[in-house]
Amino acid sequence: GEDVEQSLFLSVREGDSSVINCTYTDSSSTYLYWYKQEPGAGLQLLTYIFSNMDMKQDQRLTVLLNKKDKHLSLRIADTQTGDSAIYFCAETASGTYKYIFGTGTRLKVLA
Amino acid sequence: AAGVIQSPRHLIKEKRETATLKCYPIPRHDTVYWYQQGPGQDPQFLISFYEKMQSDKGSIPDRFSAQQFSDYHSELNMSSLELGDSALYFCASSLGRYKSYEQYFGPGTRLTVT
Repeated sequence: GEDVEQSLFLSVREGDSSVINCTYTDSSSTYLYWYKQEPGAGLQLLTYIFSNMDMKQDQRLTVLLNKKDKHLSLRIADTQTGDSAIYFCAETASGTYKYIFGTGTRLKVLA
Repeated sequence: AAGVIQSPRHLIKEKRETATLKCYPIPRHDTVYWYQQGPGQDPQFLISFYEKMQSDKGSIPDRFSAQQFSDYHSELNMSSLELGDSALYFCASSLGRYKSYEQYFGPGTRLTVT
């Protein structure tokens, strides 16, 4: 089945690291993504990882993939107030090209 | 760089009316996807098109239909609107079915049904 779960809220202090977690059920997912959505705005692709990779780093962002546990995480280093948003993980569903989105994690950065 | 364009950005309709949302993909992109995001919800896949043919179908109600035209733009037609259709509708495009891992999202059309 297709199911992507995330914790609903995360609050961190400015300058700390944030770790947003995601679990998925479709073991045949080929790509996994992280999107950022600010209030009332569209979906901004932050990064994505191919399923045969364990880690991907892009400036302040680090994605870790544990395929055995079907667990994806996004680490944001030196979190800033501008990082406050909802973060969605997504996977491509097996055998199709559609995205299955997670429930979204609302990140609040405290100054 | 050109992005995905959606129009209108905001739309207010009454129950039982019809609405048409338009999506203009990034130039040369031939694949279009539609997603619906209800208030406080995650985006849900509705339907996609590749080279003007429907390529995948998700949780799209029978009251909705969509098509892709020869210039690759797409329209989502919604009839007999219900209050529950109020949502943000995203369109995304990609270059070819085999690069669908790079879907670029438009800013969305916010539909409010009263």
